[in-house]
Amino acid sequence: AQSVTQLGSHVSVSEGALVLLRCNYSSSVPPYLFWYVQYPNQGLQLLLKYTTGATLVKGINGFEAEFKKSETSFHLTKPSAHMSDAAEYFCAVSEWAGNMLTFGGGTRLMVKP
Amino acid sequence: NAGVTQTPKFQVLKTGQSMTLQCAQDMNHNSMYWYRQDPGMGLRLIYYSASEGTTDKGEVPNGYNVSRLNKREFSLRLESAAPSQTSVYFCASSEDGLPSYEQYFGPGTRLTVT
Repeated sequence: AQSVTQLGSHVSVSEGALVLLRCNYSSSVPPYLFWYVQYPNQGLQLLLKYTTGATLVKGINGFEAEFKKSETSFHLTKPSAHMSDAAEYFCAVSEWAGNMLTFGGGTRLMVKP
Repeated sequence: NAGVTQTPKFQVLKTGQSMTLQCAQDMNHNSMYWYRQDPGMGLRLIYYSASEGTTDKGEVPNGYNVSRLNKREFSLRLESAAPSQTSVYFCASSEDGLPSYEQYFGPGTRLTVT
């Protein structure tokens, strides 16, 4: 069975600082990996996804993530945080057709001025 | 395009009451999903419908039923609400049931069961 662990339920950074949100997964087959963002009182929006090919994936709003098979990780990064990045971020994995996503517990990112 | 819409936005129920959460999408997607979101647990899949006329259980189906009314609409019913069903419910849709297809989420329904 697939599972996702997000280290740190809350992460606080200063505006302009590096953002690093950690995600580790377990999967018995090569996975499809996703990062979603949820702004307050809204639904989830896809930031980026890894399906096949290049392991460094670029997404919207300057975010990127790198698939590291040996570490079973898919950490999300952004070089310079902006106040508008404050939101909750979810890592998710899908193994097979049927598109059943398994989500991590989420990380709330706070950005200090 | 409105995308994925959900009604109602908020609901308070007493234990034992029933209700139906409505979801509709206007993107001509084949697959639709119902999730619940609880603090620290991310989103968990309740039921999904890979295509019109089919539904399957997800991770946490107990206490819920679904109906795929047509290609656009996918409803979630609570027959006898329990406090453990207090949650935020999200509907989502995707073009097809393959992992490479993005899921689009609605704004959510915040349900409280007292």
